[in-house]
Amino acid sequence: GENVEQHPSTLSVQEGDSAVIKCTYSDSASNYFPWYKQELGKGPQLIIDIRSNVGEKKDQRIAVTLNKTAKHFSLHITETQPEDSAVYFCAASRGAGSYQLTFGKGTKLSVIP
Amino acid sequence: NAGVTQTPKFQVLKTGQSMTLQCAQDMNHNSMYWYRQDPGMGLRLIYYSASEGTTDKGEVPNGYNVSRLNKREFSLRLESAAPSQTSVYFCASSVGGPGANVLTFGAGSRLTVL
Repeated sequence: GENVEQHPSTLSVQEGDSAVIKCTYSDSASNYFPWYKQELGKGPQLIIDIRSNVGEKKDQRIAVTLNKTAKHFSLHITETQPEDSAVYFCAASRGAGSYQLTFGKGTKLSVIP
Repeated sequence: NAGVTQTPKFQVLKTGQSMTLQCAQDMNHNSMYWYRQDPGMGLRLIYYSASEGTTDKGEVPNGYNVSRLNKREFSLRLESAAPSQTSVYFCASSVGGPGANVLTFGAGSRLTVL
């Protein structure tokens, strides 16, 4: 089955700096890669996703890049703010019709004011 | 708009006791899921229901049973709780499979088995 590795497990940045979280996956058939943000005491919430037919996607301060050849994808957060502090999970799936979404183990991001 | 509602939020059990976690969604989603979250382990799929009337095992189904009561409700039952089942449990739902659709999660149920 799919295996998703996520690094780093913890990340501290100064407010205003950028943060990068990286994930690798093992199943070459995976073609859908979402990122979820989990705030303390809450369930995860989708913040951005990317499909294998694109290499990069942006949404304001958040961007995700995908390298299918190397089987890795990354989350980039620019101009970090204290409210970005949370646990971030990457995930991978074979796409439409698949009910298996494999999550990475999570990255705890702390933004220091 | 409530989204996904889980009950109870907290529960303490003794080894061997049974309990049921309840989940309901009001978004008319077809698919529902139960995940468990353990420190350093991410989210792991226990069971899912692709549509009303169907259920399937996920990555870690042992020790659990599920019931898709109707389109809105999906329950998770622990017949004989074990300390290894101490975890935070999340219910989620989506229009279709998570490979093409956003998962909406509940707030979680924290279960401790003594």
